[in-house]
Amino acid sequence: EDQVTQSPEALRLQEGESSSLNCSYTVSGLRGLFWYRQDPGKGPEFLFTLYSAGEEKEKERLKATLTKKESFLHITAPKPEDSATYLCAVQAERDDKIIFGKGTRLHILP
Amino acid sequence: GAVVSQHPSRVICKSGTSVKIECRSLDFQATTMFWYRQFPKQSLMLMATSNEGSKATYEQGVEKDKFLINHASLTLSTLTVTSAHPEDSSFYICSARKTEGGGPLHFGNGTRLTVT
Repeated sequence: EDQVTQSPEALRLQEGESSSLNCSYTVSGLRGLFWYRQDPGKGPEFLFTLYSAGEEKEKERLKATLTKKESFLHITAPKPEDSATYLCAVQAERDDKIIFGKGTRLHILP
Repeated sequence: GAVVSQHPSRVICKSGTSVKIECRSLDFQATTMFWYRQFPKQSLMLMATSNEGSKATYEQGVEKDKFLINHASLTLSTLTVTSAHPEDSSFYICSARKTEGGGPLHFGNGTRLTVT
């Protein structure tokens, strides 16, 4: 069974304190791994797609990396506006569905 | 871009009534749309895959007679919660892809349903 596990569940950081969020996955043939940001009461906002081990993507203070078993979302010098829930999701080669992890609730303190 | 619009954003209804939620892809066509449900502090759970011009595919445990899905055009899918009960209260979110078969989903802003 395909599975996505994110850790930690919640993370509080001081502004400027860099850290990483983890996404471990089990899938029979990875078609793609996705990172999303979700603000309270809103739909998820797409951040990155990663397709193969060794791939990296960057956007402002965020950088996503991928290995054969896990992905990391690195946050460098975060600001309070980076506070949100970050969701990881995977798509298997065999179908259209995307399966989500439970997310990491990130809170950046000013 | 890839914009998905969902309406209404909030709805309150009485137990036993039905509620329709609309999902539109504004700047692309989508033969497939996906409906998710999210409980507080929980992940998105896929309810069903909506296919333009054909029947929706429901995930295990989702009642197809309660959650009616219609995908009548390449830009519109609707979810109707029939005979709603308080336990149906949740956050419903639709999504679609710009590219068939693979690539990220783009989400609407969700509908908060409260059944009293």
